[in-house]
Amino acid sequence: SQQGEEDPQALSIQEGENATMNCSYKTSINNLQWYRQNSGRGLVHLILIRSNEREKHSGRLRVTLDTSKKSSSLLITASRAADTASYFCATDGDYGNNRLAFGKGNQVVVIP
Amino acid sequence: NAGVTQTPKFQVLKTGQSMTLQCAQDMNHEYMSWYRQDPGMGLRLIHYSVGAGITDQGEVPNGYNVSRSTTEDFPLRLLSAAPSQTSVYFCASRSDREGSYEQYFGPGTRLTVT
Repeated sequence: SQQGEEDPQALSIQEGENATMNCSYKTSINNLQWYRQNSGRGLVHLILIRSNEREKHSGRLRVTLDTSKKSSSLLITASRAADTASYFCATDGDYGNNRLAFGKGNQVVVIP
Repeated sequence: NAGVTQTPKFQVLKTGQSMTLQCAQDMNHEYMSWYRQDPGMGLRLIHYSVGAGITDQGEVPNGYNVSRSTTEDFPLRLLSAAPSQTSVYFCASRSDREGSYEQYFGPGTRLTVT
């Protein structure tokens, strides 16, 4: 089955630095979403990028999508301690938005 | 709005016991889903529903049942708990409005089966 998969990174950065994480997937998609999960909490939607978009911004977040490489990246600029979380990408693929395929997640630790 | 609520937050079961995880949403969302999250595995879809009376299987449905008698509620039943069902369970919902793909997640239920 189609699966969004992040590069298995655990990222540790200083406050103020930028954090970049990647996601790759296997089948064609209509859109790709990024979610954040703070420790012990549910996931929170961050941003969605459609297959016909190459880049999207939301506040300190920048998402890129390369459908030819089946990959996406999430950049968090000027990181803050509150950005410490796990970040997941999710794709719709063959089954649409009712059956999202989530990646394994990237853990980001921002050191104050 | 309370959003998506789940009960209980924690549960310990013995192998073979059954239980129901509750999920409710007050956003009038048509779509609801259940996921399980295991270390290093991301989230995997168990069952989902596109509206009251309509449910379908996800990626890992075995050992679980669901029903959707109302728009608000989407309970997940474990028929005979097994240690392999030890996990964190998340319920999510989303609107059926055109172009609305964001899923709203509950806080999760941490289940341990001994």
